[in-house]
Amino acid sequence: RKEVEQDPGPFNVPEGATVAFNCTYSNSASQSFFWYRQDCRKEPKLLMSVYSSGNEDGRFTAQLNRASQYISLLIRDSKLSDSATYLCVVITGGYQKVTFGTGTKLQVIP
Amino acid sequence: GAGVSQSPRYKVAKRGQDVALRCDPISGHVSLFWYQQALGQGPEFLTYFQNEAQLDKSGLPSDRFFAERPEGSVSTLKIQRTQQEDSAVYLCASSRTGVQNTEAFFGQGTRLTVV
Repeated sequence: RKEVEQDPGPFNVPEGATVAFNCTYSNSASQSFFWYRQDCRKEPKLLMSVYSSGNEDGRFTAQLNRASQYISLLIRDSKLSDSATYLCVVITGGYQKVTFGTGTKLQVIP
Repeated sequence: GAGVSQSPRYKVAKRGQDVALRCDPISGHVSLFWYQQALGQGPEFLTYFQNEAQLDKSGLPSDRFFAERPEGSVSTLKIQRTQQEDSAVYLCASSRTGVQNTEAFFGQGTRLTVV
């Protein structure tokens, strides 16, 4: 079983829709969690951190469920510019090893 | 520079050729990671350095892959006797260590094509 798992998609949604992605992780000792965004042929870039209490940044909401070992990302009012691959990132261990999920591809359709 | 810099951006190698990929992390960043990203996949962990110490090389796919960071800053990933399955984008990332919720910053990657 992979350490971090995501549904690869693609998720094809119309503009203005709300879409949610989940990500599960296997190591209960994982400490920090992030969502990264990767555009086609570009490097991953940080979208937002995920805090235990949940956090919101504009149209984006991230949540962590430690008991079930998953994190989620909710995007409201989808824009065409949201089309990208969203990577779940989990940090584990004393030296904070960074592990990526396989990514979920989102395509927002006009 | 302000960000993580990788070179070359693109590399075409003939099967059996050795290649060396360079990563210049952000100045002062202690942690450095190498990832391999195949088309349509997420980045797969290769190896990790804390300063000059290679603390984890569990992701290196074979003994043809070798990484070093001799002075704790610039790192080189070397692939010997390249094979077609080595074709991928090789990403380098750096981060500060010991800080909660530390962001990892990525270079633009080196796209390796083995022909």
